[in-house]
Amino acid sequence: IAGITQAPTSQILAAGRRMTLRCTQDMRHNAMYWYRQDLGLGLRLIHYSNTAGTTGKGEVPDGYSVSRANTDDFPLTLASAVPSQTSVYFCASPGLAGESSTDTQYFGPGTRLTVL
Amino acid sequence: SQELEQSPQSLIVQEGKNLTINCTSSKTLYGLYWYKQKYGEGLIFLMMLQKGGEEKSHEKITAKLDEKKQQSSLHITASQPSHAGIYLCGAVRGDKIIFGKGTRLHILP
Repeated sequence: IAGITQAPTSQILAAGRRMTLRCTQDMRHNAMYWYRQDLGLGLRLIHYSNTAGTTGKGEVPDGYSVSRANTDDFPLTLASAVPSQTSVYFCASPGLAGESSTDTQYFGPGTRLTVL
Repeated sequence: SQELEQSPQSLIVQEGKNLTINCTSSKTLYGLYWYKQKYGEGLIFLMMLQKGGEEKSHEKITAKLDEKKQQSSLHITASQPSHAGIYLCGAVRGDKIIFGKGTRLHILP
């Protein structure tokens, strides 16, 4: 099944440490997104990229950085992790209306990150 | 996001009953996604709506975008335990896609 993969699945991290969450898609979509999901707050957009070489800030970008060197990969980096960054992180690349399919994984499976 | 309000926040429904979840936007919707998330898992794409008045169905789930393109409703007919989960609507906002806080659906056997 085409879609998005994320790594790691989960991670426990000491505060102050640097961490990169990996995201790879095989759909050749231009747009990719990083969200964090927290109880009661829903999905909040961290950063996004419309195409390789460009990135933009979402609703909650502070403490995070992204890069988009090519179409397939969109890593998210926490330069110095803090406990408030404990969350579930989802990478996504929703398709356009004409190409969206229920058989495609447009969201990655998520990374559960715990910062102690 | 406050731009997208979902109602109700949670819903408990007897198996076999119909139900409706609403997603209301403060701005015109130029693209509206519906996703389902099973508890503790990833998000599953249900459908995307773009045109005012557009209606799409997938199995027993039907979603519609109103003519003014500021509200979408998701309707489940004859609910089943497999429908339980969190339903999220997402809206295209320029370069971004933002989501509502979700509606938690519980199905009672």
